[in-house]
Amino acid sequence: SAVISQKPSRDICQRGTSLTIQCQVDSQVTMMFWYRQQPGQSLTLIATANQGSEATYESGFVIDKFPISRPNLTFSTLTVSNMSPEDSSIYLCSVEEQAWGYGYTFGSGTRLTVV
Amino acid sequence: KQEVTQIPAALSVPEGENLVLNCSFTDSAIYNLQWFRQDPGKGLTSLLLIQSSQREQTSGRLNASLDKSSGRSTLYIAASQPGDSATYLCAVVAQGGSEKLVFGKGTKLTVNP
Repeated sequence: SAVISQKPSRDICQRGTSLTIQCQVDSQVTMMFWYRQQPGQSLTLIATANQGSEATYESGFVIDKFPISRPNLTFSTLTVSNMSPEDSSIYLCSVEEQAWGYGYTFGSGTRLTVV
Repeated sequence: KQEVTQIPAALSVPEGENLVLNCSFTDSAIYNLQWFRQDPGKGLTSLLLIQSSQREQTSGRLNASLDKSSGRSTLYIAASQPGDSATYLCAVVAQGGSEKLVFGKGTKLTVNP
């Protein structure tokens, strides 16, 4: 399966600032996904990122708050903008692998704390 | 709307015990089902992937079964070890290519030495 490098692994940020999270995949993938996991909760899909097109956001998530870039088939970034303490979560990127029966592989996660 | 439920929410067992984690889903029209492990504050590690046409998958001490018609999957862990302590998540992909994983809330497993 694919190997995903996600960074930073954790960060503590001041409210009102922005953080950009990076995911690098060791193979070319069509679709990348960004998830949020709030404390004590399961994962919620933020958006789907296809290379060469605008990301598709799920209900409750907007581009101004979570801009996503997908410049090529192996890389994507998620920015958490104008952060508030409510944004404190684990953020994860994921890829779907057609060669593996459409199974999903996840990055190691970014643990964000906003103070 | 697909909903995934995992029971129990938490489980504590002594080392060496065999155990079963349960996952149920409301819509049987799934493409596949995947079991993940998550350590505290970390990302997800894929354990087993079961296609809708399959009944079970095995990897080492882990065995996952799927009964699509009844909307159930189980994850069996044999001879549990303290290193198995983690949260186990079940997720399904809907048939028809929505490509969205729908997750359960997980079962937090503690294996005591």
